[in-house]
Amino acid sequence: EIVMTQSPATLSVSPGERATLSCRASQSVSSNLAWYQQKPGQAPRLLIYGASTRATGIPARFSGSGSGTEFTLTISSLQSEDFAVYYCQQYNNWWTFGQGTKVEIK
Amino acid sequence: EVQLVQSGAEVKKPGESLKISCKGSGYSFTSYWIGWVRQMPGKGLEWMGIIYPGDSDTRYSPSFQGQVTISADKSISTAYLQWSSLKASDTAMYYCARQGIAALLADYWGQGTLVTVSS
Repeated sequence: EIVMTQSPATLSVSPGERATLSCRASQSVSSNLAWYQQKPGQAPRLLIYGASTRATGIPARFSGSGSGTEFTLTISSLQSEDFAVYYCQQYNNWWTFGQGTKVEIK
Repeated sequence: EVQLVQSGAEVKKPGESLKISCKGSGYSFTSYWIGWVRQMPGKGLEWMGIIYPGDSDTRYSPSFQGQVTISADKSISTAYLQWSSLKASDTAMYYCARQGIAALLADYWGQGTLVTVSS
């Protein structure tokens, strides 16, 4: 079973600043890595797939990078609507999610 | 428009059985895997298992094997998640999600079904 580890658990950022979230896989998942955003009371929303491709309708301030075991989600300039929990997911071998990173207002 | 519509919230007692549903529309239901994801209160997302409605091929996460049963009725485009004997620790939000074809991720999600198990 592939284990996904996200860091940090909580990230405190001021609006307009950059946020950098990390995700590590216990074994290579190639580029089969997605990022989701979840707000309270809502289902997760797909942001990034293939490690770096934005899903339909996702703003350009969201970008993903990495391959193999190390991945990064960057939000270039945080907007108020971006404060949420972010999950990475590997889909190289069925699905595994990371434990999430909460992006909160500093 | 692709939609996954889940059944409503449930309140059950320990030891009772339960079957929740996820109805797909707007796409060929038999051509896409449907997965189930658990989210316990205040916690993260956990993959439980997945089914291919076309032939009912089913796979389970080792953590959930033997604890739940996933099934589907392709005649009514509906996938199911069921328990034979609920425990308080089954209290959670349960999501169904469609697995994409080009990229095997969760591309569409249901709205979630809240299951509360309490005596």
